[in-house]
Amino acid sequence: NAGVTQTPKFQVLKTGQSMTLQCAQDMNHEYMSWYRQDPGMGLRLIHYSVGAGITDQGEVPNGYNVSRSTTEDFPLRLLSAAPSQTSVYFCASRPAGGRTDTQYFGPGTRLTVL
Amino acid sequence: QQQVKQSPQSLIVQKGGISIINCAYENTAFDYFPWYQQFPGKGPALLIAIRPDVSEKKEGRFTISFNKSAKQFSLHIMDSQPGDSATYFCAATRGGTASKLTFGTGTRLQVTL
Repeated sequence: NAGVTQTPKFQVLKTGQSMTLQCAQDMNHEYMSWYRQDPGMGLRLIHYSVGAGITDQGEVPNGYNVSRSTTEDFPLRLLSAAPSQTSVYFCASRPAGGRTDTQYFGPGTRLTVL
Repeated sequence: QQQVKQSPQSLIVQKGGISIINCAYENTAFDYFPWYQQFPGKGPALLIAIRPDVSEKKEGRFTISFNKSAKQFSLHIMDSQPGDSATYFCAATRGGTASKLTFGTGTRLQVTL
């Protein structure tokens, strides 16, 4: 199993450009999430999904869109990038149910918006 | 509003010493408290977790102490090693809320020789 994969690893955008951060998992996990990590702020939840076709907002959803058409993929879209979106983005997944809430994180995408 | 407060921001410990990181939470509905370890350039990985029905959980050199009445929990790393040098995040979530983890701000641990 590759686990959770993210592409690209690094990206530089200009203000106003759009792009999609890709996330895929091969563990057949129902739950997937996107977090952003900023210095001194920990990780903050952007959007999450409990299954194909179902998404919901997290703590900091503004400026980001998501969709979940398959169990495996959960892309994050920036429609009009802003410098405030410069961050490291992590995708995570976990199986539904069970006693643990262990989330498995991808390696991250470092995004710089100029 | 930071629902999970973590301290210290950074910590330097000598090899063989004990590293202690503290977290406090506000939401009494939280019922799962994991600690994640993150190495530079990598994603966070689950280190150890606890539920409030126990006051302590130990896995190898890592121990979580939990104080429900004080709404505090802490990570203790015994016999700290240079390989433990990483950033540690405490987190909390409420059962049934899918993947909605609330993280602390992180502690950068450096273990010196």
